[in-house]
Amino acid sequence: AQSVTQLDSQVPVFEEAPVELRCNYSSSVSVYLFWYVQYPNQGLQLLLKYLSGSTLVKGINGFEAEFNKSQTSFHLRKPSVHISDTAEYFCAVSLLTGNQFYFGTGTSLTVIP
Amino acid sequence: KAGVTQTPRYLIKTRGQQVTLSCSPISGHRSVSWYQQTPGQGLQFLFEYFSETQRNKGNFPGRFSGRQFSNSRSEMNVSTLELGDSALYLCASSLFSTPSTGEQFFGPGTRLTVL
Repeated sequence: AQSVTQLDSQVPVFEEAPVELRCNYSSSVSVYLFWYVQYPNQGLQLLLKYLSGSTLVKGINGFEAEFNKSQTSFHLRKPSVHISDTAEYFCAVSLLTGNQFYFGTGTSLTVIP
Repeated sequence: KAGVTQTPRYLIKTRGQQVTLSCSPISGHRSVSWYQQTPGQGLQFLFEYFSETQRNKGNFPGRFSGRQFSNSRSEMNVSTLELGDSALYLCASSLFSTPSTGEQFFGPGTRLTVL
């Protein structure tokens, strides 16, 4: 079975400060890893994904994440946040064989002016 | 290209009723997945359809069902509604049925309230 744990439900951070949103996963088989962002009253938008290759992946809006297989983690980072980054962030894994995604419970990022 | 559309955007039903939600994927996409989003449980996978066939199913009771039509549009149905079915139901579409071959695009969701 697969599960995803997002360790922080809420993360407040000042504008232009760096941020890290933590994600750990558990799976008995290989998985793909994703980060999605959800703005109020909208669906989810893909930030970045790890399928294979380099463990450091870069996404949209200046976000990046690092896959750590030994620690089964996929933490999301941004060196300098903006007000517009205020949103809900979801970490997810999927099986290699189908579009069945397992999501964490989300981290609410609030950027303080 | 138009994005994933879901109708209706908002629904209010009472316990015991049944409801049908609709999802139109991006043109050319053949895979449609459904998710239930609640504050307590987060996003949970319901099922995925590809070329009119259910390929994967999550851990939901039989009251939740779905189907996909030849034009890839999908519907999900919930019978005998319970208060706990109140949620945002999200639909996602992708070109193929494996994450490595294409991104999943999410619709804005249907907000279902059960009274």
